[in-house]
Amino acid sequence: DAGVTQSPTHLIKTRGQQVTLRCSPKSGHDTVSWYQQALGQGPQFIFQYYEEEERQRGNFPDRFSGHQFPNYSSELNVNALLLGDSALYLCASSLRLQGSSYNSPLHFGNGTRLTVT
Amino acid sequence: AQKVTQAQTEISVVEKEDVTLDCVYETRDTTYYLFWYKQPPSGELVFLIRRNSFDEQNEISGRYSWNFQKSTSSFNFTITASQVVDSAVYFCALSERGNAGNMLTFGGGTRLMVKP
Repeated sequence: DAGVTQSPTHLIKTRGQQVTLRCSPKSGHDTVSWYQQALGQGPQFIFQYYEEEERQRGNFPDRFSGHQFPNYSSELNVNALLLGDSALYLCASSLRLQGSSYNSPLHFGNGTRLTVT
Repeated sequence: AQKVTQAQTEISVVEKEDVTLDCVYETRDTTYYLFWYKQPPSGELVFLIRRNSFDEQNEISGRYSWNFQKSTSSFNFTITASQVVDSAVYFCALSERGNAGNMLTFGGGTRLMVKP
């Protein structure tokens, strides 16, 4: 049973460039969330996708956008990269419980380490 | 606004010692969820436990135990007879009911080093 998979594992970009990170959820999960983890800090919530729509969003600028596909996989796009965007980007998946807006506990991937120079 | 504080940034113990990781949270919601995650060097966050605010029973799972006290807004995590494999960064997290347990607010983490 495959867990959450993310690609690429590492990425180096230059300021001003754009980047796309990819995530495949754990088998059976239908909801994908993205978190940013700066070095030495706890993860911060970026946004969550369910039924191909952004459902919740954290305190991140519009440069951060995403998409969810019919197979539940997801992409995170960051435009106009800044040095401060350097971080570990974690994808997490969960299952929306029937008849509820509550999800099962999040399962995280290993993350994509983004370095902006 | 919700907030999670893990005052211990780093703890070092010798194998077989017991260790407690502290977590203090702030929330205005009466219904909320608390979590602990483990992050080994590989980077993946591993889910350990989820508790809701109405269940104050302490929980034990093998060498792990959790002490939830609403009166002090704390959700502490104890590892009994620590092992080298327990070395990792541990995060406490909170989700308010309004977020339906989805959007987690994490603490800054506690790095645990268990020496042989």
